[in-house]
This record gives sequence, structure tokens and C-alpha cells, in this order.
Amino acid sequence: GAVVSQHPSWVICKSGTSVKIECRSLDFQATTMFWYRQFPKKSLMLMATSNEGSKATYEQGVEKDKFLINHASLTLSTLTVTSAHPEDSSFYICSVYAGNQPQHFGDGTRLSIL
Amino acid sequence: RKEVEQDPGPFNVPEGATVAFNCTYSNSASQSFFWYRQDCRKEPKLLMSVYSSGNEDGRFTAQLNRASQYISLLIRDSKLSDSATYLCVVNRGGTGGGNKLTFGTGTQLKVEL
Repeated sequence: GAVVSQHPSWVICKSGTSVKIECRSLDFQATTMFWYRQFPKKSLMLMATSNEGSKATYEQGVEKDKFLINHASLTLSTLTVTSAHPEDSSFYICSVYAGNQPQHFGDGTRLSIL
Repeated sequence: RKEVEQDPGPFNVPEGATVAFNCTYSNSASQSFFWYRQDCRKEPKLLMSVYSSGNEDGRFTAQLNRASQYISLLIRDSKLSDSATYLCVVNRGGTGGGNKLTFGTGTQLKVEL
């Protein structure tokens, strides 16, 4: 299966800062990647589908101007949390869709906004 | 009604016990089903896919009942290392949703000495 690397693994920053998270598919050219968010003791919630070479598609209730996604190559998708606030503190995880189920997950980014 | 429902637990069991988790899903268009394991503050890792005929992988057995929209996971001879949260996961199915996953909130298992 695909090997997925996510960076950084932990971010702590001040309110108002924009934070970029990278998701890399190390051994598979991924036209589709997914971004999830998980709050404590809650399930993973799909935020958006990242499509290589085109705009991301966002789930209902997810602000596309708040969570900017760029998938400029087949091995890299980035999620930028713009002007982050404490309520954006969460565990963000990406996954790679390798043409069949199941998806392969990155090891996640824990974001803490002070 | 949640798309994927699980008993959150925790299930506290002694080492060597057999434990069963259940899950129901609401989307009849779902075609793919999985159990993932998630350790505290870590990413989910695939435990096993679930097939209509039922499938087994070592101490783990998964069952799917499409008519009842019900999935189960049985763990035999529990080990301390089995302590984790077990996530029931289904794909959305339907047009445009086939490769999107919906996660349950997970069932927490604690295996004790």
C-alpha cells in the first residue's frame, strides 16, 4: 500500500497565524488525497477531497477560504489553516486514495492554537 | 441518526478474553467496510476489510450483514497490545461518494492483566 508522510507532526502557534500542513505520498502517485479532522473523543470527519491539478472539493460546513488546499503534484497536497484560532485546534490527518480501498493515512498533525 | 454508530465503550476485559464489537451503518449504498485501529493520539491503521462472507485474520474475525446494515468484529485471546480504539468505517457509496469514507466514533478496548 501507499506510504504517506505528513509534516509537521505537531504545531503550537499564536492565534491569527496561518499554518501549512504537508501530506506526501512517498511511493504512489496520488491524484486524490483526503483531509480529515478529529476532535478529542470524536470520529474523523472528512473536510475535503484534494484533487491533483484542480480545485479541492469541500464537505458541507467546511470553509474553503479558511482551509486552503493545494495539490500541485501527484505526491504532495498541502492544507493551510488561515488565521487560525483556538477552535481550529485539532488533529489533522491526510490520506491517499490509491485507486482502491482502503485509504492509507499519514501520521497526523496535532495543531494547538494559543 | 449517525451514519455509522458504535458503542463507545470502554470495554475493560482481562487478558485472554474474547470481546465483540458491533457497528451499524445507515447508508444502504455503502459497498466497502473496514475496521481500523487507532491508538491514542495516533493515526488510524487498517485492521481488516470486511466481506459479506465474513473473514478472519488470526485472532480477529469480521462479519457483515448487509440486510441489517450491521458489522461486527470479534477478538479472541485478547492481548494487552490490543488495547486501542476500534473504528468502524464504511465508504459512502453512490455517485461521487465511492472513495470517501465515513468513520464511527470508535469503541475503546482496554485489556487488563
